[in-house]
Amino acid sequence: DIQMTQSPSSLSASVGDRVTITCQTSQDINNYLNWYQQKPGKAPKLLIYDASNLETGVPSRFSGSGSGTSFTLTISSLQPEDIATYYCQQYDNLLYIFGQGTKLEIK
Amino acid sequence: QVQLQESGPGLVKPSGTLSLTCAVSGGSISSGHWWSWVRQRPGKGLEWIGEIFHSGSTNYNPSLENRVTMSVDESKNHFSLRLIYATAADTAVYYCARQGYASLSPSLDSWGQGTLVIVSS
Repeated sequence: DIQMTQSPSSLSASVGDRVTITCQTSQDINNYLNWYQQKPGKAPKLLIYDASNLETGVPSRFSGSGSGTSFTLTISSLQPEDIATYYCQQYDNLLYIFGQGTKLEIK
Repeated sequence: QVQLQESGPGLVKPSGTLSLTCAVSGGSISSGHWWSWVRQRPGKGLEWIGEIFHSGSTNYNPSLENRVTMSVDESKNHFSLRLIYATAADTAVYYCARQGYASLSPSLDSWGQGTLVIVSS
């Protein structure tokens, strides 16, 4: 089974900061990696699919990059409404696997 | 735009059966998407339970497959989850979700709001 490691588990940043969250996999998964945002008390929301494609309606300050075993979610300028937990996700052997999550807070 | 809505008992007794339904509106459950259940224990991350196609084909998480059954009712445009022998560890918010078309890798592009199920006597 492919293992996923997401880091950091929590992050505190100031409004306007550039924020980076990483996800690493134990095997090469090409660019088959997706990112979700989950605001407190809400359902997850797909942000980025196939490593770098922005889902419709997602602000352009969000971007994704990477391929193979290392992936990054970047928020170019953190906004107060970006406070959430972020999850990476891949699909392996007919199984959705989520990363452990990164809780993002405002400093 | 498709909308999903979970429903079912919010309280299940230990060793009982957890049963939930996800109603799909704004689109047909027979549209060619796979439909998933995902749960989130209090304060924890996301755990995928399984998925079903309108034909009835299913894929389950191996960690739960001996207790899980999913079904689909095309006439009612909904799909269901059944989890037997519930324990306190099954206490969670349960989400239903739809696999999207846009991505090459399976992703969940539409989600219900979630429903909290507590397993307790």
